[in-house]
Amino acid sequence: GAGVSQSPRYKVAKRGQDVALRCDPISGHVSLFWYQQALGQGPEFLTYFQNEAQLDKSGLPSDRFFAERPEGSVSTLKIQRTQQEDSAVYLCASSLGSQGDTEAFFGQGTRLTVV
Amino acid sequence: QKEVEQNSGPLSVPEGAIASLNCTYSDRVSQSFFWYRQYSGKSPELIMSIYSNGDKEDGRFTAQLNKASQYVSLLIRDSQPSDSATYLCAVNKGYSSASKIIFGSGTRLSIRP
Repeated sequence: GAGVSQSPRYKVAKRGQDVALRCDPISGHVSLFWYQQALGQGPEFLTYFQNEAQLDKSGLPSDRFFAERPEGSVSTLKIQRTQQEDSAVYLCASSLGSQGDTEAFFGQGTRLTVV
Repeated sequence: QKEVEQNSGPLSVPEGAIASLNCTYSDRVSQSFFWYRQYSGKSPELIMSIYSNGDKEDGRFTAQLNKASQYVSLLIRDSQPSDSATYLCAVNKGYSSASKIIFGSGTRLSIRP
């Protein structure tokens, strides 16, 4: 596709519900990043994939958060037993390369509200 | 200490003037540096990247990098009201064959007519 696509754009979940957020990166992009952005803050790194390999998951806040990219393209971020503090915008970004000079491009984000 | 530090602002600049945005980072092994612009309710948009010491110019934007001082800046010349946004500094702490892009908390810029 022309850009990074995320779905759904908005998600309201009841506390304790499981949610799955989808990211469709730019075609051919090797690297994929997930970020969490709270209101008024910068994006916080969650996890990084290089093709299908999850090379860094140091930013996942708890074991309720899980991400996968099984075929090296589409990625899913899953949050189990959602809590109110999980309310945020979840951003996905992709980049063509895997080295340090990679430029990352963002999707529109998914705004998650836990009630 | 946060890995990427920015003054949160707001920074108010008159239309037509130069806006100067600053950023410091803590990890000396950082390889590449980016500035993103984020309008309210929108996702970050890449506006500049810089990889080596010195200045890099693109239209009204100039990015400056000083690795010895661990300092990155963005200058916006001839500021326009449409430049009003939050500017995010980002650093790629790439290691081996992987990437890790860390963001600052952003500086809110307001261009007053």
